[in-house]
Amino acid sequence: TQLLEQSPQFLSIQEGENLTVYCNSSSVFSSLQWYRQEPGEGPVLLVTVVTGGEVKKLKRLTFQFGDARKDSSLHITAAQPGDTGLYLCAGYKTGTASKLTFGTGTRLQVTL
Amino acid sequence: KAGVTQTPRYLIKTRGQQVTLSCSPISGHRSVSWYQQTPGQGLQFLFEYFSETQRNKGNFPGRFSGRQFSNSRSEMNVSTLELGDSALYLCASSLKSSGNTIYFGEGSWLTVV
Repeated sequence: TQLLEQSPQFLSIQEGENLTVYCNSSSVFSSLQWYRQEPGEGPVLLVTVVTGGEVKKLKRLTFQFGDARKDSSLHITAAQPGDTGLYLCAGYKTGTASKLTFGTGTRLQVTL
Repeated sequence: KAGVTQTPRYLIKTRGQQVTLSCSPISGHRSVSWYQQTPGQGLQFLFEYFSETQRNKGNFPGRFSGRQFSNSRSEMNVSTLELGDSALYLCASSLKSSGNTIYFGEGSWLTVV
């Protein structure tokens, strides 16, 4: 059973389009992180959100943590080919502070 | 500042053999955690070590074990390899345990034939 479900699983869009990736759970997380992973490499941290309702922006990427700290979203504006990769959400479930639970992943491809 | 270093990067083993993977954390980081990544199961937590002590363990059989040395370097071992153990094994380090930001290495690709 996956604690963190991401949708969509796959996304293929053209350069310039906008997209949103969702990360949902029935459990409460003390913090939630988003990573991007490129083929042959380890995941690279994009952002950490810790407060319910928190919104963080990283250039064209906007991250939001749900009010109840059970879900999160990643919105990309005007996607570019360099955004291509596997996007992973991950969280520390309340009570398991040292065990990071990863989402199912969203594979994004941005074409010219 | 050097990142997390994992060795070897690629290896092929035969069923029944055992394998040891090594991880050197970012300098000053005392927590090391290990993850298994497969296409079917995604990223799964194996275990976490802090100050040479295992702090948390995932749902993997006893064939998967690890340890951490006094210099924070860590190794994980898989005995009696099975075909299903083929995966990318990722090591991550953080300053402390308990909810800190973790930084991943590039991983060790293990293929069991």
